[in-house]
Amino acid sequence: QSVLTQPSSVSAFPGQSVTISCFGSSSNIANNAVNWYQQFPGEAPRLLIEYDDTRTSGVSRRFSGSRSGTSASLAISGLQSEDEAIYHCGAWDESLHGPVFGGGTTLTVL
Amino acid sequence: DVQLLETGGGLAQPGGSVRLSCFISGLSLHDHRMAWVRQAPGKGLQWVSTISPGGTLYQPDSLKGRFTVSRDPAANTVSLQIDSLRVDDTATYFCARAQHSYCPTATCQLYYFDNWGRGARVIVAS
Repeated sequence: QSVLTQPSSVSAFPGQSVTISCFGSSSNIANNAVNWYQQFPGEAPRLLIEYDDTRTSGVSRRFSGSRSGTSASLAISGLQSEDEAIYHCGAWDESLHGPVFGGGTTLTVL
Repeated sequence: DVQLLETGGGLAQPGGSVRLSCFISGLSLHDHRMAWVRQAPGKGLQWVSTISPGGTLYQPDSLKGRFTVSRDPAANTVSLQIDSLRVDDTATYFCARAQHSYCPTATCQLYYFDNWGRGARVIVAS
């Protein structure tokens, strides 16, 4: 069972927007930065967003991150079929003294 | 260009051992934290260990004891040995570079993995 909680799946039509949530606690998200990873089937994760809202090199502006309280969100606008992937959130956990992740959210573009 | 290549996965029996290696190019072990992260089939990511540039090992308490990490700076390689294998160790094991710092504008901690290998699959079954 993952320390951070994400919905198992979300879906939307091309061109629409979708938001993926990540819920944590006072020992992780409330006081530490959240990162997001994108993973295609059979491939390694790729760092998408670091430090809550900073897109890594080459990442489309359609992707944006935010953090508030004990939760964080990844928003994707103008959905494209190529966005179909699994999205993972991660953060440092002070109680566990290490990084923790969510269970991953599968995005389906209908 | 950073490249990480894991080797050594495969089928292993419960109670046995497996050793994975991560061959690193484009960065030096002397300057970077290297980590292992695993992903069980259909599941999320789980941090397994991080070894610092100075050789200090960090692991979650839940995995201490059966997981041994070593490094060979001369070969720029890190290795993960898993002993007393259990069926729930079945996973893809990724080697990754870890970044750990305090956030620039706040007192929070920033920890992420910015370079990943393709992973080595370990299947534990009798």
